[in-house]
Amino acid sequence: QKEVEQDPGPLSVPEGAIVSLNCTYSNSAFQYFMWYRQYSRKGPELLMYTYSSGNKEDGRFTAQVDKSSKYISLFIRDSQPSDSATYLCAIGGNAGNMLTFGGGTRLMVKP
Amino acid sequence: DAMVIQNPRYQVTQFGKPVTLSCSQTLNHNVMYWYQQKSSQAPKLLFHYYDKDFNNEADTPDNFQSRRPNTSFCFLDIRSPGLGDAAMYLCATSRVPTGRPYEQYFGPGTRLTVT
Repeated sequence: QKEVEQDPGPLSVPEGAIVSLNCTYSNSAFQYFMWYRQYSRKGPELLMYTYSSGNKEDGRFTAQVDKSSKYISLFIRDSQPSDSATYLCAIGGNAGNMLTFGGGTRLMVKP
Repeated sequence: DAMVIQNPRYQVTQFGKPVTLSCSQTLNHNVMYWYQQKSSQAPKLLFHYYDKDFNNEADTPDNFQSRRPNTSFCFLDIRSPGLGDAAMYLCATSRVPTGRPYEQYFGPGTRLTVT
């Protein structure tokens, strides 16, 4: 079992839809949860950073952490074609300064 | 703007011909990482420097080496590239312990093609 699991997609939605992206993880020691957005042939860009459980909102983006279920989510409201990218979850807290990444979910928002 | 810069953005090399990828940062971060990312896969950590201390991942092939001559620069050397080494190579930085734990900033990547 991988430490972090993420559905690879692709996930295709119409413009304006609410998007839900998810990751599950296996190690309860994880405490720090991040979402990175990666456009094609570019480096990952940090989108959301959360510590422990709960919700965090930033504009159209909401990150949610449920540590009891070992489940994290990223919601995108009013999705735009410019949101089309691969979204990587990244989790830290089990060793050193290392992040454990999910494989990424490819999102396509159609106009 | 403070940032992580990678050069070149695209690199083509021949099978077995040594290649060096470079990363520089203006963030003054003390930790620098090198990742390999193949298509539709998660970034895979190759090694990292915590200040001057080099840390190699157990499964990183000996073919991959790194140098960090100063705080700002880090190099990835691939001594004898094989076809399987074609990938995007990502450099990342973080500031430990004063930054947010586990937060990493990535450069734009170097896409390596091996012919």
